[in-house]
Amino acid sequence: KNEVEQSPQNLTAQEGEFITINCSYSVGISALHWLQQHPGGGIVSLFMLSSGKKKHGRLIATINIQEKHSSLHITASHPRDSAVYICAVIPYNTDKLIFGTGTRLQVFP
Amino acid sequence: DVKVTQSSRYLVKRTGEKVFLECVQDMDHENMFWYRQDPGLGLRLIYFSYDVKMKEKGDIPEGYSVSREKKERFSLILESASTNQTSMYLCASSLEYRSPGEQYFGPGTRLTVT
Repeated sequence: KNEVEQSPQNLTAQEGEFITINCSYSVGISALHWLQQHPGGGIVSLFMLSSGKKKHGRLIATINIQEKHSSLHITASHPRDSAVYICAVIPYNTDKLIFGTGTRLQVFP
Repeated sequence: DVKVTQSSRYLVKRTGEKVFLECVQDMDHENMFWYRQDPGLGLRLIYFSYDVKMKEKGDIPEGYSVSREKKERFSLILESASTNQTSMYLCASSLEYRSPGEQYFGPGTRLTVT
């Protein structure tokens, strides 16, 4: 079993829909990242959070440390949001990220 | 803006060739990382470096070596390329010493070994 699990693996949506991507992890962590990877490879960091909630534009990330769970929400989704979204955690007492396998999102007009 | 560049976007090499992948970052970051990304496996850490001339093995270092002679440059070397090293290779850097922190990624190199 992977230490970082994402769900769903694939997600399709119509433009305008509210989208939720989930990340569960099994280790104690100091922080969690949400990353976005567009076709072609480049990865961009969206959020790094260790508690509560962060918002940037139409993106909202939440984390519940006790439940070892984080969610990434996209409001009013748009075709340009189509990408792979990756969750990664920094376990305590380590200097490496552990990555989930990603959620592939396709938003259709 | 932090910029991380990689020497090639696409590369095709033959089995047994020595392959160099180069990564340069322009923000004076302390830490640099090399990952490979394969479908269904996510990103896996090959090697990382927290300082010039320092390197540490990641989760899958076999078949690879690295070099960090200057702070801004981190090279990944495949001594004798094999077909199972066909993959997307991503370089990243982060600011805070010995912390993976917020990582900035390069565009990736898609390597095919035939």
